Amino acid sequence: AQSVTQLDSQVPVFEEAPVELRCNYSSSVSVYLFWYVQYPNQGLQLLLKYLSGSTLVKGINGFEAEFNKSQTSFHLRKPSVHISDTAEYFCAVSDEDSSYKLIFGSGTRLLVRP
Amino acid sequence: GAVVSQHPSRVICKSGTSVKIECRSLDFQATTMFWYRQFPKKSLMLMATSNEGSKATYEQGVEKDKFLINHASLTLSTLTVTSAHPEDSSFYICSVAGPSSYEQYFGPGTRLTVT
Repeated sequence: AQSVTQLDSQVPVFEEAPVELRCNYSSSVSVYLFWYVQYPNQGLQLLLKYLSGSTLVKGINGFEAEFNKSQTSFHLRKPSVHISDTAEYFCAVSDEDSSYKLIFGSGTRLLVRP
Repeated sequence: GAVVSQHPSRVICKSGTSVKIECRSLDFQATTMFWYRQFPKKSLMLMATSNEGSKATYEQGVEKDKFLINHASLTLSTLTVTSAHPEDSSFYICSVAGPSSYEQYFGPGTRLTVT
């Protein structure tokens, strides 16, 4: 069975500092991995996804993530954050065995301070 | 990606009444849609998979008689919360499965408050 772990419930960081949001997954088959962002009282917006190919994936708003199969991780990074990046970030996994259902992590709140 | 709308964005209803939430795929024919529930400061929980022209598939622990799902067309799925109770208060989000089955496009969500 799949599962996704986001160990950090909240990550405070100062503006213009780099940030890494951690995500680890478990799955017995090939996976598809996603990062979504959610602003207050809104739905989810796709930041980036890993389906196959290059393990370094670039997304919107300057975010990137690296798929590490040996460590079963898909950490999200940004070299310099803005106040507007303050939001909830969700890591999710999907695979063929689960009929492509998305399994979400518990979320990480990124709090960017001036 | 697909553009997905939800209506209403917010609804307040009295305990014991029913409320319907619509999810529309505006620019894409959606064979499959998903309904999620999100509690405050919590992750999304998949409630059911909605397939056009057939019965929805509910996740374990979700009452199908309480959360009625209808997917009558390729652009519309509805979730009806029947005999609502305060514990049904939540943020409900739908998504549309894209042409590549592993992608989903999310609606803006509906905030339900049951008084």
